[in-house]
Amino acid sequence: AQKITQTQPGMFVQEKEAVTLDCTYDTSDPSYGLFWYKQPSSGEMIFLIYQGSYDQQNATEGRYSLNFQKARKSANLVISASQLGDSAMYFCAMRPGGGGSNYKLTFGKGTLLTVNP
Amino acid sequence: DAGVTQSPTHLIKTRGQHVTLRCSPISGHKSVSWYQQVLGQGPQFIFQYYEKEERGRGNFPDRFSARQFPNYSSELNVNALLLGDSALYLCASSLYDWNTEAFFGQGTRLTVV
Repeated sequence: AQKITQTQPGMFVQEKEAVTLDCTYDTSDPSYGLFWYKQPSSGEMIFLIYQGSYDQQNATEGRYSLNFQKARKSANLVISASQLGDSAMYFCAMRPGGGGSNYKLTFGKGTLLTVNP
Repeated sequence: DAGVTQSPTHLIKTRGQHVTLRCSPISGHKSVSWYQQVLGQGPQFIFQYYEKEERGRGNFPDRFSARQFPNYSSELNVNALLLGDSALYLCASSLYDWNTEAFFGQGTRLTVV
């Protein structure tokens, strides 16, 4: 079974500063994928970034980067230069890896990020 | 191009009733997954369909069922509604079943009274 733990129910950051959202995971699968999604109050889950378990480099997507530490089973999201529009719920998720595997995402409980002006 | 569309956006039902939620994936996407998100929690996997076949099922009772049509749209059915079924139901589509990214719709907010 796969498990995602997000220990920060809420985080506050000043506009233009960087913030790190924590995520640890547990799985017995040899390969897996890790995701971060943003969920604004509208409800839609917006894909931010993906990291494969065998990827050698940490993933980056614009202002988002994923600090992947495989030995520690952590996949923290770093948002640089926070903007007011970044205020939302953030979810860490994982899925089994390998071609043909079913697309079951396991989500954490989320972290509510508030960006202050 | 249209994203994932779900209907209806909001729904109020009475305990014991039946509900059908609908999802249209992004054009060309063959995989559809359903998730239940209770207030204050992360989404929980319910079903995944790929090429009209069930490829995965989460830990939900038999009151929950789903199907995928030849045009890859999907329906989620819930029978004998309970108060605890009140949640945001999210649909996600992806091109194949192993793609890295799933695109989500805005969800259907179901309230059971």
